[in-house]
Amino acid sequence: QQQVKQSPQSLIVQKGGISIINCAYENTAFDYFPWYQQFPGKGPALLIAIRPDVSEKKEGRFTISFNKSAKQFSLHIMDSQPGDSATYFCAASVKTSGSRLTFGEGTQLTVNP
Amino acid sequence: GAVVSQHPSWVICKSGTSVKIECRSLDFQATTMFWYRQFPKQSLMLMATSNEGSKATYEQGVEKDKFLINHASLTLSTLTVTSAHPEDSSFYICSARSGTSAINEQFFGPGTRLTVL
Repeated sequence: QQQVKQSPQSLIVQKGGISIINCAYENTAFDYFPWYQQFPGKGPALLIAIRPDVSEKKEGRFTISFNKSAKQFSLHIMDSQPGDSATYFCAASVKTSGSRLTFGEGTQLTVNP
Repeated sequence: GAVVSQHPSWVICKSGTSVKIECRSLDFQATTMFWYRQFPKQSLMLMATSNEGSKATYEQGVEKDKFLINHASLTLSTLTVTSAHPEDSSFYICSARSGTSAINEQFFGPGTRLTVL
């Protein structure tokens, strides 16, 4: 029930295209859904996050879409750039459980020039 | 955003020795710190949660006598890998959460690459 399922495992997109990564969860108690970007040999960096009372959040080229009834959320990267090539992780947490993050399996994104 | 540092960034040690990794929150007080382990091409696995001044809470399957965690101050947590073996070689990442944060946000360190020969 604590799992977060992420897909696809890898994604190749042309420069300027839209990258879409999906996550699904089971635990309805989750109240915070962040996305992290990780470059090789580095720690993950928070990209964007959403709470379940909002269906969409946009920050620059990055948008989270949240579907509470389906227990799914996704990351959309508009106008993808080669510099976006990294591994992306979705995660979820419950504030009352000490904010422990449950991570998805990760998506290796490659943006070709 | 808040900054979390880790030291060392990489370490190589011989099998059977102990290694200490430091995690510091540089510009905020971290009431809670988390330690993760990440193997190549895999996701982050939470090892333990530590609250300042109290014992760490370990995830199922993580040996608390092997991975010693100390959160002695609001800006410093340490992870000591005792009697390290080659299978402990991994990327260790800490994160910190501010006690004043109204949301669940965690700030991650840059990670420490441990190689046990």
